[in-house]
Amino acid sequence: DAKTTQPPSMDCAEGRAANLPCNHSTISGNEYVYWYRQIHSQGPQYIIHGLKNNETNEMASLIITEDRKSSTLILPHATLRDTAVYYCIVLMIKAAGNKLTFGGGTRVLVKP
Amino acid sequence: DGGITQSPKYLFRKEGQNVTLSCEQNLNHDAMYWYRQDPGQGLRLIYYSQIVNDFQKGDIAEGYSVSREKKESFPLTVTSAQKNPTAFYLCASSMTASSYEQYFGPGTRLTVT
Repeated sequence: DAKTTQPPSMDCAEGRAANLPCNHSTISGNEYVYWYRQIHSQGPQYIIHGLKNNETNEMASLIITEDRKSSTLILPHATLRDTAVYYCIVLMIKAAGNKLTFGGGTRVLVKP
Repeated sequence: DGGITQSPKYLFRKEGQNVTLSCEQNLNHDAMYWYRQDPGQGLRLIYYSQIVNDFQKGDIAEGYSVSREKKESFPLTVTSAQKNPTAFYLCASSMTASSYEQYFGPGTRLTVT
């Protein structure tokens, strides 16, 4: 599975959009980009995933560049409850056991 | 309420004792997973089960054992052979083994002294 690179931390003002970048320059054609987040001392929570096209759901939007070497997770209106570590993961879906390998992630602090 | 439950939230044991962590899901998911997380680190896969009565070793299975006798239950036993058992243990499930979305339980923080 391709490796990802994320900034270690970022701050965001409450009510503003948070844009979280992720580099995955070695991604292969059949690997998906997933985003999870983990609030302190809780289990990770799935946010969104995509292959080539941009995706949006009730939590966030995912913008993937045309060459697929990088992506951005957008939280449109950050709230204090969005303070968490956000993980970008690149994963090829296998028939047996999709292991989630979390890197360092980006520690996002939403400030009032 | 559908979801995954893990109990207890905090667990303390003496070195040399085996301990079993509970994981139950009522999502009717086929696949279940156990991960370990150390402070400031990502998750590492211990064991996974694609379907009832089947399980496979993950990356760090040594010192751990599991069973999957029921679809909704996937208990993890941390044995005395596990050299550094103190950690945060997370159970997850997914609809099938090839599902991209895993649902996580709240975790059990195990401290062995």
